[in-house]
This record gives sequence, C-alpha cells and structure tokens, in this order.
Amino acid sequence: GQQLNQSPQSMFIQEGEDVSMNCTSSSIFNTWLWYKQDPGEGPVLLIALYKAGELTSNGRLTAQFGITRKDSFLNISASIPSDVGIYFCAGQHSGGGADGLTFGKGTHLIIQP
Amino acid sequence: NAGVTQTPKFRILKIGQSMTLQCAQDMNHNYMYWYRQDPGMGLKLIYYSVGAGITDKGEVPNGYNVSRSTTEDFPLRLELAAPSQTSVYFCASSYPPSGHPNLQETQYFGPGTRLLVL
Repeated sequence: GQQLNQSPQSMFIQEGEDVSMNCTSSSIFNTWLWYKQDPGEGPVLLIALYKAGELTSNGRLTAQFGITRKDSFLNISASIPSDVGIYFCAGQHSGGGADGLTFGKGTHLIIQP
Repeated sequence: NAGVTQTPKFRILKIGQSMTLQCAQDMNHNYMYWYRQDPGMGLKLIYYSVGAGITDKGEVPNGYNVSRSTTEDFPLRLELAAPSQTSVYFCASSYPPSGHPNLQETQYFGPGTRLLVL
C-alpha cells in the first residue's frame, strides 16, 4: 500500500525547546492529518489540513500542508512535559471515501528534564 | 457523549480460539473503522464501514470479519486466532468536517484492545 515517510523516528529534547517533524510521500495527498497518541491510549486528532499551502495552528501546534501536496510538517513551540507521546501523520490520496487514509510510522517525542 | 468505546481492554487467546472485539460509538457517525497497530508501526486498516449493512476490506483483512447491523456498533471477529494477530486494535468513527461534505477523515479513536495470541 501507500507509504508515508515520517521523520525523525524519535526526538530527545529539553523542556521549552521547539519541535519540528515532517512527513513526505511519493504520491499526492488531498488531506493531511496529525494525531498524537499517549501510552495506552488511542490516537487523538490534533490538526487537519485540507488545502495545499494551508497553515493551521492549534495552540502551540502549527502544521502546514506542503505546496506540492506530497509533504506536511508539524511544529510544537515551547515544549512542555505533557507533549510527550507519539505523533502520527496521516494522509488521504483520493478525493473521498473511507479507504484512503494512510498513516506514517510515528515520531516518538521524549522530553528530558 | 462517551465517544468511541472498545471492549475488552486486554485479552489473551490461545492459537485457534475465536473472539469478538466490540466497538460502539454514540456520535451518530456513519463511517467506522478497525485498525491494528504493531510495535513501532503506524496504524493499518483492517476493515471499514460506510454505514449500517455495508462493510469493506482495508489493507490487512485476512483472518478477520466484521458486521455492521446498526450505526452504533461495529464488532471485529477473529475466527482462528494466530500469533501474527497479536497486536493493539483500534476502532474509530468519523464524520465529514465542516465545509467538506465528501471527506470522512476526521476520525475519532477508541482506547484500543490489546490482544496477545499464544
């Protein structure tokens, strides 16, 4: 199936630092989504992007839909301990329908005290 | 709203046993999904449903079956459990986001069922 390349695989940062992660694909996506998963929980939607070039913020989180429609990035500013978790990007390459969502393998965010 | 609920939270099965993973949502969402998540990997779609009475295979359907007799419930059935089915299973439901009536990507996930097959 479709593959999303998500990087970095893991990040070790200090509290207060900014974080940046991204996803790339060899094919075009019409929608990009960013989820966060806490240990033992299901993924929770953070930001949804529907238009190429779109820049959307949710508190300290900012995500952008790449102009080429083949990539997206997520930034977290001034990280705090509760930001720890796994961040997944997901994209849909078709115009609609339930079967088009593809997930990246996740970025593990670890905050060192 | 309880959102998406899943039972059981954890289960150990012997090879060849069968079980049903339950999923329910109280948000009146038409679309529902079953994913599995293996260690270090993203989620892979097993089956999905666009409404009561309609189900379709996802990326990894082999060894599983689903039914959708009501809008609220979407159970996943394992008939002959195999060690390769050891995983964490997530159910999700979705609705079209505002202004995008043809999209169903705003998915809400349940807490997961952890399955170990020995």
